[in-house]
Amino acid sequence: NAGVTQTPKFQVLKTGQSMTLQCAQDMNHNSMYWYRQDPGMGLRLIYYSASEGTTDKGEVPNGYNVSRLNKREFSLRLESAAPSQTSVYFCASSGGQGPQETQYFGPGTRLLVL
Amino acid sequence: AQSVTQLDSQVPVFEEAPVELRCNYSSSVSVYLFWYVQYPNQGLQLLLKYLSGSTLVKSINGFEAEFNKSQTSFHLRKPSVHISDTAEYFCAVSLNTDKLIFGTGTRLQVFP
Repeated sequence: NAGVTQTPKFQVLKTGQSMTLQCAQDMNHNSMYWYRQDPGMGLRLIYYSASEGTTDKGEVPNGYNVSRLNKREFSLRLESAAPSQTSVYFCASSGGQGPQETQYFGPGTRLLVL
Repeated sequence: AQSVTQLDSQVPVFEEAPVELRCNYSSSVSVYLFWYVQYPNQGLQLLLKYLSGSTLVKSINGFEAEFNKSQTSFHLRKPSVHISDTAEYFCAVSLNTDKLIFGTGTRLQVFP
């Protein structure tokens, strides 16, 4: 039982390049999330998926797209990377049975945009 | 709008000393409250949570937090910290959705 896995662990991009961050969970969870973590700002929700085939914007969705490929996988795409997107990105999942549920986090992807 | 305030960005403390990490939230409705911990170079993991019932909740590694509705607070305490408690601690709230609102985090640094 690996929990939540993310690839890659590290990535360096040049401004304007595109990339996709991959996330998968093996806990049969309904809900999945993408956050970004920046110093002094905590975690901010980028996108959220309550179930396969549905996605909703979070607090900071601009510059990102997501795809809930199936129940296990939730990818985050940067179409044209900008230096402001330099951050640590975390994927998380939860059972989706209500606001009391615990979220389980992956190890993160550290992205540097030059 | 709902928000979470962690008043201290950094808390330095000596090993075996007590510690309190403060968290206040703003909400006009009932909330669920969480503390997550992030060890260096890792993702977040749940430390403890308040859903209902007893206002004092405890974790398996000696931390506890008390929900105070009148003060809208959920402070985290430990009577005697260990070097291994060095980490960043995040307070979070959820309302009537699956989404969490996080505070900005408190970095706990335990010195020998």
